[in-house]
Amino acid sequence: GNSVTQMEGPVTLSEEAFLTINCTYTATGYPSLFWYVQYPGEGLQLLLKATKADDKGSNKGFEATYRKETTSFHLEKGSVQVSDSAVYFCALISGSARQLTFGSGTQLTVLP
Amino acid sequence: NAGVTQTPKFQVLKTGQSMTLQCAQDMNHEYMSWYRQDPGMGLRLIHYSVGAGITDQGEVPNGYNVSRSTTEDFPLRLLSAAPSQTSVYFCASSPSGLTTDTQYFGPGTRLTVL
Repeated sequence: GNSVTQMEGPVTLSEEAFLTINCTYTATGYPSLFWYVQYPGEGLQLLLKATKADDKGSNKGFEATYRKETTSFHLEKGSVQVSDSAVYFCALISGSARQLTFGSGTQLTVLP
Repeated sequence: NAGVTQTPKFQVLKTGQSMTLQCAQDMNHEYMSWYRQDPGMGLRLIHYSVGAGITDQGEVPNGYNVSRSTTEDFPLRLLSAAPSQTSVYFCASSPSGLTTDTQYFGPGTRLTVL
């Protein structure tokens, strides 16, 4: 079956630090990969996605590259801000399942 | 454009009570789904629907019922609430549920079962 393994949190960084949140996956077929972000008290919002190998998704300074050879989709940002404090979820959809399989989430706190 | 809306925002039930969580979307999406979010476990799929009149079970369907009489609405029914159903519930929709689609999430319903 499909599964997503995410870097365990919580992660605490100072403002302007470099961020990496690791994500690896197991899937049948050729999955699409997603990063969702959940701000306190809110629902999930799509941050970025990649639908085929070597695609790079990017949004709001965040980037992630779909690496088929290492089955990874690590999230990076060069300089985090306090407003980036949130929970980040890696997820995939594969084949005919039509359901998102989520990682357990990584809590990020950015300190001023 | 309201997107995906959910009501209520918060709910407290006693064990054995029943209730319906409402979900509606105004994007004419065919695919709708319900997830529950528990600490340290990400989101898990409860039920989903690929169109009006069609529903199917997800990963954790026990204790929940769904129906899809219109494209817009996808209510989730708890038949006899149990403390294990204390969770945050999210409804989501996408154009077709295909692998390349983006799924849009509602703001969630926080349910506590005493």
